[in-house]
Amino acid sequence: EAGVTQSPTHLIKTRGQQATLRCSPISGHTSVYWYQQALGLGLQFLLWYDEGEERNRGNFPPRFSGRQFPNYSSELNVNALELEDSALYLCASSFWDSPTPNTEAFFGQGTRLTVV
Amino acid sequence: KQEVTQIPAALSVPEGENLVLNCSFTDSAIYNLQWFRQDPGKGLTSLLLIQSSQREQTSGRLNASLDKSSGRSTLYIAASQPGDSATYLCAVTSRAGGTSYGKLTFGQGTILTVHP
Repeated sequence: EAGVTQSPTHLIKTRGQQATLRCSPISGHTSVYWYQQALGLGLQFLLWYDEGEERNRGNFPPRFSGRQFPNYSSELNVNALELEDSALYLCASSFWDSPTPNTEAFFGQGTRLTVV
Repeated sequence: KQEVTQIPAALSVPEGENLVLNCSFTDSAIYNLQWFRQDPGKGLTSLLLIQSSQREQTSGRLNASLDKSSGRSTLYIAASQPGDSATYLCAVTSRAGGTSYGKLTFGQGTILTVHP
């Protein structure tokens, strides 16, 4: 069974440009989470999508946005890129079995975004 | 707001030692707790998931315990090997409302080095 896949693996952009990162969850998973991991820093929560809806959002500016498609894949868009956006962006998927979700989250290998 | 703390920040041990990593969280209203390992520049690999109603989980040389009432979890690694060298992260999925709901909140991790 395929795991969580992210594309591209590496992305180099110029300050002010836009970046689009993609994530395909494990088959059967309906939830996708996005995290940012800047060098030397911990995992910072960006967004959580479930069943196509945004369920929670981290403390990031509006230029970080995303969406979830009917097949549960997701994309993260970062507009007006800044140098400090350079980081490893990680996507995770799980099955949110409401009302008591007790399922394991699995992560992809990440997209390394470099802003120059 | 849920906060997760991991102690120690770094640990260096000789091969063969048994070791314990600690994780504490501030809000006991959780669905589950998960332990991950992360190799440098890579994604996260799930090690163990403990549901909020469980006390411990075991997988091979790994054993994780959960004391929800005191907000603590420990990861026990038996007979450590150089291949265990990585950063170990714990994360909780919060059931409390507000900004913590539904997302995995991570600790800063413990960097483990096992030398031959």
